[in-house]
Amino acid sequence: AQSVAQPEDQVNVAEGNPLTVKCTYSVSGNPYLFWYVQYPNRGLQFLLKYITGDNLVKGSYGFEAEFNKSQTSFHLKKPSALVSDSALYFCAVRGPLIGSGTYKYIFGTGTRLKVLA
Amino acid sequence: KAGVTQTPRYLIKTRGQQVTLSCSPISGHRSVSWYQQTPGQGLQFLFEYFSETQRNKGNFPGRFSGRQFSNSRSEMNVSTLELGDSALYLCASSSDPSSQETQYFGPGTRLLVL
Repeated sequence: AQSVAQPEDQVNVAEGNPLTVKCTYSVSGNPYLFWYVQYPNRGLQFLLKYITGDNLVKGSYGFEAEFNKSQTSFHLKKPSALVSDSALYFCAVRGPLIGSGTYKYIFGTGTRLKVLA
Repeated sequence: KAGVTQTPRYLIKTRGQQVTLSCSPISGHRSVSWYQQTPGQGLQFLFEYFSETQRNKGNFPGRFSGRQFSNSRSEMNVSTLELGDSALYLCASSSDPSSQETQYFGPGTRLLVL
C-alpha cells in the first residue's frame, strides 16, 4: 500500500541554522512526491515536487528536497532557517492509479517547524 | 491567475443541520478535490470531481456529498451534521491529476459544529 510517514511531530531550529524536515514513503512503481506548507488559518501552499530527474529538487522560498531512492526518503531542507518559515509542513505522495483513471494523493500527518529567533 | 477560492471562510452550525461549501478552482483547472483536515486525523481525502463527474471517493459516510458544475466550480454538502464534522475543509484544483499536474489548495472553510 502507498503511504508516507513524517516521523517528527515538531522540529525546532534556531534562526540561521540549516533545517531538515523528514519524510519517508512507500510506493509501488516510480514515486511522485510533494511538499506543501501551511501557515495558520491558511490552505496548503505548494513548495516543490519530485517526478523524475535530479535527486535534488529546488522549490519556493529557498527550500529544497533530496530524493533518496535507496532510503525511500524525500527530506525537505533549507540552508538557513528564517523565523517566518515557522509553519506546518506536509509531505505527500501520489498514490496508485485508480480504475476511474485518476490518482489519490496521500498526505503525511504533518511536521510543525518552529524557528527560534 | 487567481488562486483557488473557497466560500465561506468560516461557518458555525449546530448538530443535525446541513451545510454547503463552495470552491472555485484556478481558471482552466477541471479537477477539484476535497479534503477534511482535523488535528487528530490530518488530511483525509473526501472526493474528486473532473468534468462534472465524481472520479474518486474517500472513506466518508454518505452524509458527505459533492458536485461539480460545468464551469468547474464545486460544492460540497454535509447533511445531518455531527460534532466530529468540525474541521477545516480544503479544496484543491489541478488541470488533471492523472497527469503530473500539481494540486493547488484554497484557504479552506473552517466549520464548527456545536
